[in-house]
Amino acid sequence: GDSVTQMEGPVTLSEEAFLTINCTYTATGYPSLFWYVQYPGEGLQLLLKATKADDKGSNKGFEATYRKETTSFHLEKGSVQVSDSAVYFCALIGQGGSEKLVFGKGTKLTVNP
Amino acid sequence: ETGVTQTPRHLVMGMTNKKSLKCEQHLGHNAMYWYKQSAKKPLELMFVYSLEERVENNSVPSRFSPECPNSSHLFLHLHTLQPEDSALYLCASSQDGTVSYNEQFFGPGTRLTVL
Repeated sequence: GDSVTQMEGPVTLSEEAFLTINCTYTATGYPSLFWYVQYPGEGLQLLLKATKADDKGSNKGFEATYRKETTSFHLEKGSVQVSDSAVYFCALIGQGGSEKLVFGKGTKLTVNP
Repeated sequence: ETGVTQTPRHLVMGMTNKKSLKCEQHLGHNAMYWYKQSAKKPLELMFVYSLEERVENNSVPSRFSPECPNSSHLFLHLHTLQPEDSALYLCASSQDGTVSYNEQFFGPGTRLTVL
């Protein structure tokens, strides 16, 4: 079945550092790919998405590019802030959109001032 | 209220208690979901309701009983739980059938502790 693998955390960075959180997936066809973020004490929020190969999703300074050839959707941000401290989840929905969200285990990011 | 709300936000219960979790969505969606979030494990989809009909039940123990009286409300009834059921229970909603993917909107969750 479909699956998502993302890098184990936790990740600790200093403010203004560069962030990469790796995500790879296994799925048939062309799934839609997502990054969700969970801030402390809150539910998950959609951060960005990409629905076809080579699409780049972006939001709040975060970016991720749908790479079909490497089945990857790595999350990046050029300069993190303390307010970016959260748990980040990579997820996919199978081709056709009738499948349900499949999540990775999540990566906890802590940004220190 | 906007978005997806969940009550209570925190719940502590004994193994012999009966309690219910409530979820309400104010987005006009037609599908609702219950997820279980345990430490160091992927989110586990428990139940899916579309148009108030249960369409998926991922082999969840019978001590968890969902109820969807209308498209805006979803309940999770709990009885004779085990300590390993302690987790964050997340509710989500989406609008099925109108877009190529059913983007889900999540509530803040109920933190459940079973003693």
